[in-house]
Amino acid sequence: DAGVTQSPTHLIKTRGQHVTLRCSPISGHKSVSWYQQVLGQGPQFIFQYYEKEERGRGNFPDRFSARQFPNYSSELNVNALLLGDSALYLCASSRGGSGLYGYTFGSGTRLTVV
Amino acid sequence: AQKVTQAQTEISVVEKEDVTLDCVYETRDTTYYLFWYKQPPSGELVFLIRRNSFDEQNEISGRYSWNFQKSTSSFNFTITASQVVDSAVYFCALSEALDTGNQFYFGTGTSLTVIP
Repeated sequence: DAGVTQSPTHLIKTRGQHVTLRCSPISGHKSVSWYQQVLGQGPQFIFQYYEKEERGRGNFPDRFSARQFPNYSSELNVNALLLGDSALYLCASSRGGSGLYGYTFGSGTRLTVV
Repeated sequence: AQKVTQAQTEISVVEKEDVTLDCVYETRDTTYYLFWYKQPPSGELVFLIRRNSFDEQNEISGRYSWNFQKSTSSFNFTITASQVVDSAVYFCALSEALDTGNQFYFGTGTSLTVIP
């Protein structure tokens, strides 16, 4: 079975632009979470979706939004990009909605804002 | 407040040495889950081990072992007979059962370098 797949793997954007990152969970996984990892730091929680509903939101501005589709894939959208948004964005999927199951992470999308 | 603290920023060991990575966590929940993940240069976080708060039994899995002590809120991870392929950044993470968002709180990571 394929793991968690994210696209694109890398991209460069200009300040003020908008970006959409995509994630396909492992088949059968109904929960998708998004994390931002700034260089040299641990991942920081952005969103969790379970059964297409938002279950949690981290301490990120409203410029960040996400959604989950009927096939459980997910998009993370960031508007009005800032230089500080440059980071590795990780998607993780899980069978259930709780931490009990743990998460399987994708390889991430490395976003550079110039 | 930082929920997960990994005080060791970088560790270097010579191949075949044992190495222990420290993790201290903070939570008010009585039910929680602790994890160790490995992040190689490729960026993907690779799951290593998981521990439930109600099970303090320490185990060994191949070259990996862990020491979970609720009394000191520590969840240390040991690699026995380290290999060059173990070189990576290791993250300790906490998930709280009462957190409806089910987020993971990650530490800042420990960069392990195994020297051949």
